[in-house]
Amino acid sequence: KAGVTQTPRYLIKTRGQQVTLSCSPISGHRSVSWYQQTPGQGLQFLFEYFSETQRNKGNFPGRFSGRQFSNSRSEMNVSTLELGDSALYLCASSLVGQGQNIQYFGAGTRLSVL
Amino acid sequence: QKEVEQNSGPLSVPEGAIASLNCTYSDRGSQSFFWYRQYSGKSPELIMSIYSNGDKEDGRFTAQLNKASQYVSLLIRDSQPSDSATYLCAVLGTGRRALTFGSGTRLQVQP
Repeated sequence: KAGVTQTPRYLIKTRGQQVTLSCSPISGHRSVSWYQQTPGQGLQFLFEYFSETQRNKGNFPGRFSGRQFSNSRSEMNVSTLELGDSALYLCASSLVGQGQNIQYFGAGTRLSVL
Repeated sequence: QKEVEQNSGPLSVPEGAIASLNCTYSDRGSQSFFWYRQYSGKSPELIMSIYSNGDKEDGRFTAQLNKASQYVSLLIRDSQPSDSATYLCAVLGTGRRALTFGSGTRLQVQP
């Protein structure tokens, strides 16, 4: 069974640009969560999608947005990039049920904002 | 107070020893607890999940949960240099669908 696939693996952008990251979950997983990881703040939750609906959102500005498609693939978008957006962006998928919500992570997209 | 707290380390143990990693959490209603391992430059990899009080063993790894003390730990027996990584404690809080992570403990296993 294929794992969580994130594309691209690396991105270099400049301030003010926008970026779209993609995540394909494990087959059968309908929940997709996004996290930002930085050396200073650690792993922080961005948002979670289930059945094309955003169910949960972390404490990030509106420049960070996402969506989920009918095949459970998800994208996140960051507009008007800032230097502080440089981070590893991680996507995790889970098979929701029985209250366990075990999340499996993709390899991540490393974004550098210059 | 942080929601999930871990000692950042580094925790240094000799090869073959037992490494003990600890985590405390603030949400008393939390029901699901996870340990992830993250190698430098890589993404987190699930090691263990635990949901009820007591011990759960999987190979060289044992997770321990004490909900009354709001404490989770991970024991690694017969530590190997390949276990050197950052170990992240994650908690699924009451009514939440998002994991809250601790800042991680860096483990160094000395050959």
